Amino acid sequence: AQSVTQPDIHITVSEGASLELRCNYSYGATPYLFWYVQSPGQGLQLLLKYFSGDTLVQGIKGFEAEFKRSQSSFNLRKPSVHWSDAAEYFCAVGVPTNAGKSTFGDGTTLTVKP
Amino acid sequence: KAGVTQTPRYLIKTRGQQVTLSCSPISGHRSVSWYQQTPGQGLQFLFEYFSETQRNKGNFPGRFSGRQFSNSRSEMNVSTLELGDSALYLCASSLAYGLAGVHEQYFGPGTRLTVT
Repeated sequence: AQSVTQPDIHITVSEGASLELRCNYSYGATPYLFWYVQSPGQGLQLLLKYFSGDTLVQGIKGFEAEFKRSQSSFNLRKPSVHWSDAAEYFCAVGVPTNAGKSTFGDGTTLTVKP
Repeated sequence: KAGVTQTPRYLIKTRGQQVTLSCSPISGHRSVSWYQQTPGQGLQFLFEYFSETQRNKGNFPGRFSGRQFSNSRSEMNVSTLELGDSALYLCASSLAYGLAGVHEQYFGPGTRLTVT
């Protein structure tokens, strides 16, 4: 079975600083990987996805993520954080043999200091 | 293209009652998944429907059920509500999600269910 670990429950960064959110997955084959963002009381918005090919993927809102098979990681990065980026971020993995099910990490809450 | 819509957005029910939540997927999407989100358990997969058939089910009791209609709209039902069923219920739609490949899921805003 697949699983996802987000080691950081809460991260605080200053506005304008760079950001990296960590995600580690467990799955025997090449996974389908996603990052979502959730604002309070809202649903999840897809930031980016990795299916295959180039291991550095670009997403919306200036986010990017890098897939590293050797480290089973899919870390999310942003070079300069804006106050509006404060939210909860979820990493997820999907597999073709598990129809319709994405397995999510516990999430990382991002606080942005002015 | 309109996004995933869920109704109602908020619900307050009493223990022992039942509730039905509705989800309309993005036009053209045939896969609809349901998730329960709570502070303690995080995002938990309930079930997935594709072409009116339940293809996958998470580890939830039989009180949780669902169905999908021919237009891909989906409903989930929770019978004999318990306090622990209080949660945000999220619906996600996808073009397809299974052996034919994995497609990204698009989430609705959720239905906030409070059981008193």
